[in-house]
Amino acid sequence: AQKITQTQPGMFVQEKEAVTLDCTYDTSDQSYGLFWYKQPSSGEMIFLIYQGSYDEQNATEGRYSLNFQKARKSANLVISASQLGDSAMYFCAMRGGIQGAQKLVFGQGTRLTINP
Amino acid sequence: DGGITQSPKYLFRKEGQNVTLSCEQNLNHDAMYWYRQDPGQGLRLIYYSQIVNDFQKGDIAEGYSVSREKKESFPLTVTSAQKNPTAFYLCASSRFSAEPQHFGDGTRLSIL
Repeated sequence: AQKITQTQPGMFVQEKEAVTLDCTYDTSDQSYGLFWYKQPSSGEMIFLIYQGSYDEQNATEGRYSLNFQKARKSANLVISASQLGDSAMYFCAMRGGIQGAQKLVFGQGTRLTINP
Repeated sequence: DGGITQSPKYLFRKEGQNVTLSCEQNLNHDAMYWYRQDPGQGLRLIYYSQIVNDFQKGDIAEGYSVSREKKESFPLTVTSAQKNPTAFYLCASSRFSAEPQHFGDGTRLSIL
């Protein structure tokens, strides 16, 4: 069975600082994908970044980058130069191998608060 | 603008009542999904559909039903068999099942 673990229930960061949100995963699949989503207080889920298990380079999207360490089964999200609008819940999710391709398994989330 | 529309935003259910949550997308996506989110928790998959007239159970399908008669629409019915329906329900779609899923704004369901 696949599992996502986010060990930080809450994070408090000063504006303009970089922040790392932790995500570890467990799977026996060789092929899988890892996603990060942002959920503001309004509730919608916003896709941020994707990393495939066979991707050799860490994914980057603007201020977001993914620190992918396959041997350690970790996929941490790094937000550079944090902004007040980054305050939200952040979820790490995994799409499994062929049989689990349709299913996203989510972690419990980390609530990020950016202080001015 | 293309997107996913969920309605209503808030819904109240009486005991023994079935209620239906609407999800419509104009992104021409093949795959659609329903998730449930409880307070302080991540999302759990209820049902998903890869093509019209076909759908599969997710991890928590008991007490729920779906239909997929049109590519654009994937309504979710919360039946009276679902004893704890109070939650936030999110609908998502993707171009095909391996792509990132895009979400609607959600429906918050409560029991009267």
